[in-house]
Amino acid sequence: DTGVSQDPRHKITKRGQNVTFRCDPISEHNRLYWYRQTLGQGPEFLTYFQNEAQLEKSRLLSDRFSAERPKGSFSTLEIQRTEQGDSAMYLCASSPRSASGSFGYEQFFGPGTRLTVL
Amino acid sequence: KQEVTQIPAALSVPEGENLVLNCSFTDSAIYNLQWFRQDPGKGLTSLLLIQSSQREQTSGRLNASLDKSSGRSTLYIAASQPGDSATYLCAVRDSSYKLIFGSGTRLLVRP
Repeated sequence: DTGVSQDPRHKITKRGQNVTFRCDPISEHNRLYWYRQTLGQGPEFLTYFQNEAQLEKSRLLSDRFSAERPKGSFSTLEIQRTEQGDSAMYLCASSPRSASGSFGYEQFFGPGTRLTVL
Repeated sequence: KQEVTQIPAALSVPEGENLVLNCSFTDSAIYNLQWFRQDPGKGLTSLLLIQSSQREQTSGRLNASLDKSSGRSTLYIAASQPGDSATYLCAVRDSSYKLIFGSGTRLLVRP
């Protein structure tokens, strides 16, 4: 399977615990995105990497959230001191390097990690 | 601030019917628009990508159109099948790289 993969698929944790999610993008995709989706809503942007550089962060990404993409390959999203409001589906997407001046490349999504905070 | 709206929120149709899903956005300065399908509890599957310079894209029984000036896109599904039942999401990309999504249309195709 050469698509975007995410691990774990499901995570149940107690309030106050730390959790970490991993995303492996499609090979050679240089852009990687994290989104969060709550029930009945569309995904909301959290953060974006181009290679290893984190170029944009949403205001939704509080100081309890941190994302990394060492070496520009896989990425991790960590949530510290989880709260019940963090319960959601966390989606990762990647897109290929675009031609110069082009912004039009598709984003391809992984299966998501469903987080439940008790 | 870009806002994306999808109407209707839910739709139930008998098998075989042709149907149209609507998406509107408030800022016409977009780079592209993507339509996605999402099955319950699953990730998003990209269906069609329309660049800002394009008017429509087709894939099989799906046809998506884009009217940037009026801030609208439609997804046309021909000869609907029960397997088409899912949530359909549209998303626009502006000058940043992030996608801004609507809340989706939940489609049920009845056998």
